[in-house]
Amino acid sequence: GENVEQHPSTLSVQEGDSAVIKCTYSDSASNYFPWYKQELGKGPQLIIDIRSNVGEKKDQRIAVTLNKTAKHFSLHITETQPEDSAVYFCAAWESWGKLQFGAGTQVVVTP
Amino acid sequence: EAGVAQSPRYKIIEKRQSVAFWCNPISGHATLYWYQQILGQGPKLLIQFQNNGVVDDSQLPKDRFSAERLKGIDSTLKIQPAKLEDSAVYLCASSPPHEEQFFGPGTRLTVL
Repeated sequence: GENVEQHPSTLSVQEGDSAVIKCTYSDSASNYFPWYKQELGKGPQLIIDIRSNVGEKKDQRIAVTLNKTAKHFSLHITETQPEDSAVYFCAAWESWGKLQFGAGTQVVVTP
Repeated sequence: EAGVAQSPRYKIIEKRQSVAFWCNPISGHATLYWYQQILGQGPKLLIQFQNNGVVDDSQLPKDRFSAERLKGIDSTLKIQPAKLEDSAVYLCASSPPHEEQFFGPGTRLTVL
């Protein structure tokens, strides 16, 4: 089955700096890659996603890149703000509806 | 639009006891998922329903876990008997077929 690895496990950045989280996946058949943000005591919330026919997607301060050949994808957050502090999960769509999640990255934005 | 509702939000039980969680998905969402999220890990799919039928329960420990979605709307997940390693957050999610999943707030279970 699909295996998703996510790095780093923790990331501390200064407010205003950029944050990058990287994920690799194993199943070349995976074709949908969402990113979720989970705040304390809440369920994961989708923040951006990318499909395999696209190499990059951007939404305001958030962007995701996908390299299907290398089987890795990354989340980029620019101009980080304190409200960006949370746990971020990448995921890969193994088959219709079955998401395989990475282990998560704790992002801390310090003023 | 109302989100995915789950109850209770917190539950503490002793090992070998039983517990049940309830989920009400977003109206009109045919697909419902139950995930287990152990502290420090990503969510792991336990079971997926399409309407009231099971699509995938390959990672559900069927000797102690059961789930149902009798009318194709809300769902219950039961653990009987609970073990210490069942301590986790149980997340429910719903979606239209093959579309984005929306997660509920989760139920935090502590087994003592």
